Amino acid sequence: EAQVTQNPRYLITVTGKKLTVTCSQNMNHEYMSWYRQDPGLGLRQIYYSMNVEVTDKGDVPEGYKVSRKEKRNFPLILESPSPNQTSLYFCASSLSVPIQETQYFGPGTRLLVL
Amino acid sequence: GENVEQHPSTLSVQEGDSAVIKCTYSDSASNYFPWYKQELGKRPQLIIDIRSNVGEKKDQRIAVTLNKTAKHFSLHITETQPEDSAVYFCAGRHAGGTSYGKLTFGQGTILTVHP
Repeated sequence: EAQVTQNPRYLITVTGKKLTVTCSQNMNHEYMSWYRQDPGLGLRQIYYSMNVEVTDKGDVPEGYKVSRKEKRNFPLILESPSPNQTSLYFCASSLSVPIQETQYFGPGTRLLVL
Repeated sequence: GENVEQHPSTLSVQEGDSAVIKCTYSDSASNYFPWYKQELGKRPQLIIDIRSNVGEKKDQRIAVTLNKTAKHFSLHITETQPEDSAVYFCAGRHAGGTSYGKLTFGQGTILTVHP
């Protein structure tokens, strides 16, 4: 089944404890992206990757890191999480920009930073 | 950078009525504008998109119109049904420069269709 998976789905952590949220897609998509969703603010792009080894900042990259060593994986790293990073995070992928841009979203990861 | 404003933030209609959601964008170089629907507790899903070389696109009860001169685009839903109730997001994608591929979303519109 073609899909985007994220792990973990729910995470409670404490300020300053490094964490990684994994994202994987099995559709051979070139484009991958991370978003955070907060009430009243919509979806805000954190980082995106046009292809392997190519990553770029979105609108809210501060406090996050990403890597794209393989086509299928795009992990989101929070080196020192803070309470303002409490949010719902979505990973998404699309075949290719600009050829086929429909983004397929993962199920989301709900993060609480205490 | 690109700024996408979406209005209204909430919209309530009676079943069978039409619903219109509007978005404005700031970057005249943006050339791709998708609309996503997010049902409660679920992930966003694309419902329709339009490119800057097209003025209008329709898919059954859903249509999107684009005015490049005014830098705004709108989602039109006709004959609304209760299952259309959801949050709708517009977005604009940068077309060039160092931000090529960056996607900026609007703040979302909560659409409620009353039976």
